[in-house]
Parts: sequence; C-alpha cells; structure tokens
Amino acid sequence: QVQLVQSGAEVKKPGASVKVSCKASGYTFTSYGISWVRQAPGQGLEWMGWISAYNGNTNYAQKLQGRVTMTTDTSTSTAYMELRSLRSDDTAVYYCARGRGTEQQLPFDYWGQGTLVTVSS
Amino acid sequence: SYVLTQPPSVSVAPGKTARITCGGNNIGSKSVHWYQQKPGQAPVLVIYYDSDRPSGIPERFSGSNSGNTATLTISRVEAGDEADYYCQVWDSSSDHRWVFGGGTKLTVL
Repeated sequence: QVQLVQSGAEVKKPGASVKVSCKASGYTFTSYGISWVRQAPGQGLEWMGWISAYNGNTNYAQKLQGRVTMTTDTSTSTAYMELRSLRSDDTAVYYCARGRGTEQQLPFDYWGQGTLVTVSS
Repeated sequence: SYVLTQPPSVSVAPGKTARITCGGNNIGSKSVHWYQQKPGQAPVLVIYYDSDRPSGIPERFSGSNSGNTATLTISRVEAGDEADYYCQVWDSSSDHRWVFGGGTKLTVL
C-alpha cells in the first residue's frame, strides 16, 4: 500500500533552517510528483511547492522563493523540503503529498502524516 | 492571484444533506478538488475533477461545478463526516500554483 512517512517534529530558533523528509513506499517513486503543503496552527492549507520525482523539476510558491528548496533521492524514494531563515510564522505542520501522476497540476491522492515545525527563541 | 472563498462553517443534522460551497471567478472553467481533514489528521481527497470519487469514498459524497461556484454535497450526513473541508484548484493564469480555499468546518448537530 502507498505510504508517505515523514520525519519527526522539530524545534528551531528564528533564523535557522529545517529539513523535513518524506519517505515513499508502495509505488514507483519516479512516476509521481510530490507537493509540500503547510498548515499553521488553527489555519488552513497553504501550498509550498512541487517537485517531480522523475526529473527533479521544481515549482515553488512565490512567497517562499529564495527560502525553500525541494529535492528528492530516488535511491531511497525520499523527498526533502528545506526551509531557511525561519521565522515565527513558519510554525506549522508540514505535509508532503503525492500527486496523481508526473505532472504538477494533478490532485493529491496520498499524504504524509505531517511534521510539526516549531520556530521559537 | 486567484482566490477561493468558502463559508467558515456549515451545520447539519444527522441524516440530512450538507452543501459546502467554494466560490471563485469563473471557477466552472477549472477543475476543483475537495479534501476532508479531521482533527489531528492529514487531509484526505474526497472528490477530484469536480465530481469524481476516489475508491473508498462513500457515494454520499458528490460534487458539482458551474459558473462561479463549486459545491461539495454530502448526503445522509453521519457524525463521522464532521471535519474541515477544503476546495483546491490549479491556477495556471499567472504564477502556476495550487490554491486552497480557506476551509469550511462541518458540524453535525
């Protein structure tokens, strides 16, 4: 069965970086894209960006350009999301989600369990 | 940038029909997807491409999309349907991105 298993909770200080992992299993990793979505406490869903597991192409949300980097390691079927220069308003649960195919405009059919990132001094 | 507008809350009695709307400029020309999120859990896709249901989603869930409004309809509502629901579209107009609505809290009375 398809599973996306994310790394554990993180506590970071303002200005630091965080890297969240998302290990996929149960399907051919390179045949699908991965999006990252975050949710601040008590708030809605915010799309952060997408990466093709096939060729590494990326598309980042404009507001995060320059602070976010998404990568994949096809040898371990793992996607990564690194966010730099953390601020308090980056405190959120971060989700990886699989698109229904290789293209980025396909809906998300499987989600990771979420990773809480807390930014606090 | 494209904006999706959802009512913050909808309440319905068990066994009745709930309708959750998602408004956007000419949204009928886009494909709308819907997610259900229960407290402390990741979202789950319940409707995609306006009205298709993933396997495992009950037939009680249906969707429609026309003009400036997309609607998620839940028939014969059960207590277990209580959750937040989010609509989503792909905005290919300017900066090619996913857009989510603000979410609707469905309360089963």
